[in-house]
Amino acid sequence: AQSVTQLGSHVSVSEGALVLLRCNYSSSVPPYLFWYVQYPNQGLQLLLKYTTGATLVKGINGFEAEFKKSETSFHLTKPSAHMSDAAEYFCAVSRTGGGNKLTFGTGTQLKVEL
Amino acid sequence: EPEVTQTPSHQVTQMGQEVILRCVPISNHLYFYWYRQILGQKVEFLVSFYNNEISEKSEIFDDQFSVERPDGSNFTLKIRSTKLEDSAMYFCASSAVRGTNEQFFGPGTRLTVL
Repeated sequence: AQSVTQLGSHVSVSEGALVLLRCNYSSSVPPYLFWYVQYPNQGLQLLLKYTTGATLVKGINGFEAEFKKSETSFHLTKPSAHMSDAAEYFCAVSRTGGGNKLTFGTGTQLKVEL
Repeated sequence: EPEVTQTPSHQVTQMGQEVILRCVPISNHLYFYWYRQILGQKVEFLVSFYNNEISEKSEIFDDQFSVERPDGSNFTLKIRSTKLEDSAMYFCASSAVRGTNEQFFGPGTRLTVL
């Protein structure tokens, strides 16, 4: 079985500050890892994914995440927050290969303040 | 850019009634999924579908649920006899056969059972 833990259901940062959203996973098999963003009243949009290869992955809107197998973590970062980053962020894990279900964390609501 | 579409955006029904939620996946995708998100909770996997059959389902997906690909473009979720606890946002997703299991989500259908 796979699971995801997102520490901090709400995170608040100032505009221009570092964004760090935490994700730890549990998986008995090598995982694929994903970060999705959900803006109000919208669906889930993929920010970035880790499948194989380079452990530091870059995504859209300046976000990046690092897969750390030893820590079973996949934390999401952005050097400088923008007001438009305010949204809910979900970390997800799946087995490798196509067609496998995503198991999501409980989400982190990011608030960006002036 | 191709996208997953869902109709209706909001459905209100009486307890015990049947509802059908509709989705049009991305045209060259062959894996299809339904997820749901109860208000304030995490996104949960319901079912995946490939080659005209269910490939995996969760324990939530009991006998009152069914899925169908009635033609070459639509993918539907039927709830036979709705319960109050079925009230949730239902997301359809699709992914390509090969690749990284990147799933593209629709905007969701908000189901309210009264």
